[in-house]
Amino acid sequence: DAKTTQPPSMDCAEGRAANLPCNHSTISGNEYVYWYRQIHSQGPQYIIHGLKNNETNEMASLIITEDRKSSTLILPHATLRDTAVYYCIPNGGATNKLIFGTGTLLAVQP
Amino acid sequence: DTEVTQTPKHLVMGMTNKKSLKCEQHMGHRAMYWYKQKAKKPPELMFVYSYEKLSINESVPSRFSPECPNSSLLNLHLHALQPEDSALYLCASSLDTRYGYTFGSGTRLTVV
Repeated sequence: DAKTTQPPSMDCAEGRAANLPCNHSTISGNEYVYWYRQIHSQGPQYIIHGLKNNETNEMASLIITEDRKSSTLILPHATLRDTAVYYCIPNGGATNKLIFGTGTLLAVQP
Repeated sequence: DTEVTQTPKHLVMGMTNKKSLKCEQHMGHRAMYWYKQKAKKPPELMFVYSYEKLSINESVPSRFSPECPNSSLLNLHLHALQPEDSALYLCASSLDTRYGYTFGSGTRLTVV
């Protein structure tokens, strides 16, 4: 399973963009990068995933470097409700199982 | 219906009790999962069911026994648990194992 490195915590001002980095230098060629978040006391929530190209949906944008060794999740206008732990998870390939790392606790400040 | 429903939301059980956790989805997903989450830790994968067959058991003790009676339902049978098994138990489902997961809100289990 690919290992990931994420900063343990980040702060962001409400209304500003939140950029959450993730290093996944051991990702294999057929693994996607998935992002989930977990708001306190709730189940994790799927945000977005991608393989090579940048992706955007109604929640966020995902930027994946050309060598696929790192990615950045962008929340364009963070709100207080975006305060959560964000997990970057490579998944796919031979073993399809979602293994959570320690994630980044994003605190959106008013 | 785009939800995974877990019941009960809270459960307190003694170490000699037998209880079951239930998870249900009606999204046509064919993969279902159990996770365990201790306080301030990430979720840990316990079991994976794919097309109603157990495909992954992450070396979980036998006091936890999963069951998938049909494609919409996943149970976790609990017997002779220890206090350290107290945790949030999360169920998830996906179209199959290659797709994003939908998680339920969990069952908070306390073993006394």
